[in-house]
Amino acid sequence: GEDVEQSLFLSVREGDSSVINCTYTDSSSTYLYWYKQEPGAGLQLLTYIFSNMDMKQDQRLTVLLNKKDKHLSLRIADTQTGDSAIYFCAEATGGGNKLTFGTGTQLKVEL
Amino acid sequence: SQTIHQWPATLVQPVGSPLSLECTVEGTSNPNLYWYRQAAGRGLQLLFYSVGIGQISSEVPQNLSASRPQDRQFILSSKKLLLSDSGFYLCAWQNSGNTIYFGEGSWLTVV
Repeated sequence: GEDVEQSLFLSVREGDSSVINCTYTDSSSTYLYWYKQEPGAGLQLLTYIFSNMDMKQDQRLTVLLNKKDKHLSLRIADTQTGDSAIYFCAEATGGGNKLTFGTGTQLKVEL
Repeated sequence: SQTIHQWPATLVQPVGSPLSLECTVEGTSNPNLYWYRQAAGRGLQLLFYSVGIGQISSEVPQNLSASRPQDRQFILSSKKLLLSDSGFYLCAWQNSGNTIYFGEGSWLTVV
């Protein structure tokens, strides 16, 4: 079955890098996503990576994919207080028509 | 550009009352549409998805139902709400490139 796991909390200091990790189980996943959810708001797509890639960089965000270990990570460089939010990892299953989400990682950025 | 709207943003309903949450997408045609629920504890659960008018797939058996009367309209309903239906409901749509975008969500409190 499909299962996506993330650690629940991460605390970093402003200016440091944050690394949020995720493991998934469906080896047939075509796309993997990172979403950001600020308090009381919907999910905002941050970035995604196709399963035949191992890295994608977009400004302060770097996504690393280890398909062999089914491990996905999101690195945020120079973390700011505005980055405080819950970050969800998701894998596309069901032929790409459905997303299975992790439980989310709450990132707290301290001054 | 494409936009997604869902309403109402918040509602408080008594146990046993009906529910109707609406979602519309603009700027695209024939999107895949989704309803997700986020209960306390943050995990996202796929409730329903639709690949076309009148085509609804249910992921989790429960007292909720969904309908798609028009191409870009997706409605989540219940005839009699339970306390356990409380949560944050998110509508989402998917474009041809597989990316899924979310609305701002509707907070439902059943009392």
